[in-house]
Amino acid sequence: EDQVTQSPEALRLQEGESSSLNCSYTVSGLRGLFWYRQDPGKGPEFLFTLYSAGEEKEKERLKATLTKKESFLHITAPKPEDSATYLCAVQGAGISSGSARQLTFGSGTQLTVLP
Amino acid sequence: GAGVSQSPRYKVTKRGQDVALRCDPISGHVSLYWYRQALGQGPEFLTYFNYEAQQDKSGLPNDRFSAERPEGSISTLTIQRTEQRDSAMYRCASSLARQETQYFGPGTRLLVL
Repeated sequence: EDQVTQSPEALRLQEGESSSLNCSYTVSGLRGLFWYRQDPGKGPEFLFTLYSAGEEKEKERLKATLTKKESFLHITAPKPEDSATYLCAVQGAGISSGSARQLTFGSGTQLTVLP
Repeated sequence: GAGVSQSPRYKVTKRGQDVALRCDPISGHVSLYWYRQALGQGPEFLTYFNYEAQQDKSGLPNDRFSAERPEGSISTLTIQRTEQRDSAMYRCASSLARQETQYFGPGTRLLVL
């Protein structure tokens, strides 16, 4: 069974204070690891997909990296508008992953950036 | 372009009533997914369609839950004889057939009294 654990559960940063969010996973054959941003009262908004260890992707102040066991979402010089819950999900390919299409999510990291 | 839409956005019902939740995927997306999200948790898989075929319903909690997508576009998730434990946010997502990225709708908040 695929599992995703995110840490920390909550993170408070001062504006401009860089940090990283962690996503540890176990999966039977990784098809993809996904990062989403979720604002209160809204659906998850897609950020990145990573497919293989060593891959990195960037978007504005966010950079996602992937190893064989975990992914990091690095936030450089965050701004208050970066405040949100960041969700990590995996899509597995093995038999224990159930449907080869379903995403298994972590519980998220609630990020607050103070001005 | 338009994203995934869901209706109603909020539904309050009494225990024992049936409810139907609707999902309208992004135009051209052939794969459609239903998830349920509890407060403070990530979405949890319920079921998945490819075109009109239900490919996986392993996440449906019990036989009170069913879903259909008769014409390969709009989907309906039906909960019969609702119970208070069914209260949650129900989310729909869609993806292109050969692309893995799932795009989520705003969800339907269900409250069973």
